[in-house]
Amino acid sequence: AQSVTQLGSHVSVSEGALVLLRCNYSSSVPPYLFWYVQYPNQGLQLLLKYTTGATLVKGINGFEAEFKKSETSFHLTKPSAHMSDAAEYFCAVRPSGGSNYKLTFGKGTLLTVNP
Amino acid sequence: EPEVTQTPSHQVTQMGQEVILRCVPISNHLYFYWYRQILGQKVEFLVSFYNNEISEKSEIFDDQFSVERPDGSNFTLKIRSTKLEDSAMYFCASQGLAGAQETQYFGPGTRLLVL
Repeated sequence: AQSVTQLGSHVSVSEGALVLLRCNYSSSVPPYLFWYVQYPNQGLQLLLKYTTGATLVKGINGFEAEFKKSETSFHLTKPSAHMSDAAEYFCAVRPSGGSNYKLTFGKGTLLTVNP
Repeated sequence: EPEVTQTPSHQVTQMGQEVILRCVPISNHLYFYWYRQILGQKVEFLVSFYNNEISEKSEIFDDQFSVERPDGSNFTLKIRSTKLEDSAMYFCASQGLAGAQETQYFGPGTRLLVL
């Protein structure tokens, strides 16, 4: 079984400040990891994903995340927040093998960016 | 850019009524999913569908739920007799190719309110 924990249901930062959204996972098999973003009244949009290769993954809108197996973490960062980053962010995990493609999500973190 | 669409965006229904939520996946995609998010809770997997049959379903997906791909473009979720606890945001997703590394593309969701 897999699970995802996102620490902090609400994170508030100032414009230009570092964004750090935390995600820890539990998985009995090597996982693939995803970050999705949901802007108001829109669907879930993929920000980035880790499947194989480099553990530091770059995504859209200046976000990146690092897969740390020893810490079972996949935290999302952005050096400088922009007002347009205000949204809800979801971390998700999926088994790397087999034919089971369902995503297991965390509860989400609402990011607020203050001017 | 191709996108997943869902209709209606909002639906209000009385307990015990049947509802059908509609989704148009990305053309040429082969794998289809329904997820739901009860207010304040995680996004949860309901069902996956491939090659005109259910490939996996969660324990939430009981006999009250059914899915169908009636015409090669639409993908529907039917709830036969809605309960209050079915109130949630329902997301449709599609995936083009086999493989856990492939991205699932989500629609904007249908917000269902059961009174």
